[in-house]
Amino acid sequence: GAVVSQHPSRVICKSGTSVKIECRSLDFQATTMFWYRQFPKQSLMLMATSNEGSKATYEQGVEKDKFLINHASLTLSTLTVTSAHPEDSSFYICSARDQGLAGGSRPEDTQYFGPGTRLTVL
Amino acid sequence: QKEVEQDPGPLSVPEGAIVSLNCTYSNSAFQYFMWYRQYSRKGPELLMYTYSSGNKEDGRFTAQVDKSSKYISLFIRDSQPSDSATYLCAISSGGYQKVTFGTGTKLQVIP
Repeated sequence: GAVVSQHPSRVICKSGTSVKIECRSLDFQATTMFWYRQFPKQSLMLMATSNEGSKATYEQGVEKDKFLINHASLTLSTLTVTSAHPEDSSFYICSARDQGLAGGSRPEDTQYFGPGTRLTVL
Repeated sequence: QKEVEQDPGPLSVPEGAIVSLNCTYSNSAFQYFMWYRQYSRKGPELLMYTYSSGNKEDGRFTAQVDKSSKYISLFIRDSQPSDSATYLCAISSGGYQKVTFGTGTKLQVIP
């Protein structure tokens, strides 16, 4: 099956620094990738939709200048948390949609999730 | 009103029990209904999906959708300790629309 990797798996940083998280589709091309944030005992919250070669689409309430997304190739999307603060500490998960399966018309079987990145801001 | 409501649990059952996990949703436009399983500190993995109303069975798992009641269920038969995880329901209106997740129900199957 399709595999999505994330790096790093966990990161601890000081307040005010920037952190970059990578999301890679290992054996398929992903025109679209999604970034989610998950707080303890809460659901996955979609932050933004990342489209290869174009600007990301951010969900309401998500600061695009704080969470920079770059989807420069069909297998890589990056999320940079700029000037991180303790309230940004969370579990960040990406997913990738395999456009090669069913033409992307059925989201339920074409979206694969990465293992997540645990960010802790001190 | 949230688009998807799911009891967070936790739900503890003995091994071999039948587990029933449920979600309700508010938007009648939703057509695709999914269940994901998420182990601790891991990303979610797709378990089952259904389109529109009806039942779908896969081994010990059965997904059920009642669009008239806006109610979806996942049943696990002969539950195993390895089934212990958080189960998230997810819904979508299809195509390239985003997927909306429930909060997840934490399940613990006790040997």
